[in-house]
Amino acid sequence: GAGVSQSPSNKVTEKGKDVELRCDPISGHTALYWYRQSLGQGLEFLIYFQGNSAPDKSGLPSDRFSAERTGGSVSTLTIQRTQQEDSAVYLCASRQQGTDTQYFGPGTRLTVL
Amino acid sequence: KNQVEQSPQSLIILEGKNCTLQCNYTVSPFSNLRWYKQDTGRGPVSLTIMTFSENTKSNGRYTATLDADTKQSSLHITASQLSDSASYICVVSESGATNKLIFGTGTLLAVQP
Repeated sequence: GAGVSQSPSNKVTEKGKDVELRCDPISGHTALYWYRQSLGQGLEFLIYFQGNSAPDKSGLPSDRFSAERTGGSVSTLTIQRTQQEDSAVYLCASRQQGTDTQYFGPGTRLTVL
Repeated sequence: KNQVEQSPQSLIILEGKNCTLQCNYTVSPFSNLRWYKQDTGRGPVSLTIMTFSENTKSNGRYTATLDADTKQSSLHITASQLSDSASYICVVSESGATNKLIFGTGTLLAVQP
């Protein structure tokens, strides 16, 4: 079956612009996570959605970062007024309720010039 | 601070040889430990997952061990293949509803013919 998909696969933007990254989780997975992977760094947790509960936003690095999950499925991560330090691979993962394994998408490579 | 440290940072081995990757963690309270394989340009894929009570878990040529007392884990790869070339990431889960994962920075393995 289809895995987690993300779009775009690559995004190059100018400093100060806003960007939107999209994640389509595996159908039926109620949990959705966003992570950031910077060069030479481990994955960094950003935000977690579980069903209709309020999201855990504790990993968002600044108020320029926000995320939505509409209809319990597709999620969008928005970065406003991008900075060069935002350049990274942004990974999305989904998990089926009652299980432990997170399934990752291929990521979106964001480059801020 | 919860941390996951991996060694070595990178490793080069010849095809057919065995290797062992190390992971030390300070995450508490501990829920489980996973090893992920991340091919270049792809999202991480789960190899093994172990809970507190498990000492070893195998997945084909991959065998993971866990010593919860010393907070150490290892991933042993037997009879390496060229396709094993990837980054191997140790991931520790905190106990709790969020199922928040803390990632190591990974070991980059290159298998040469």
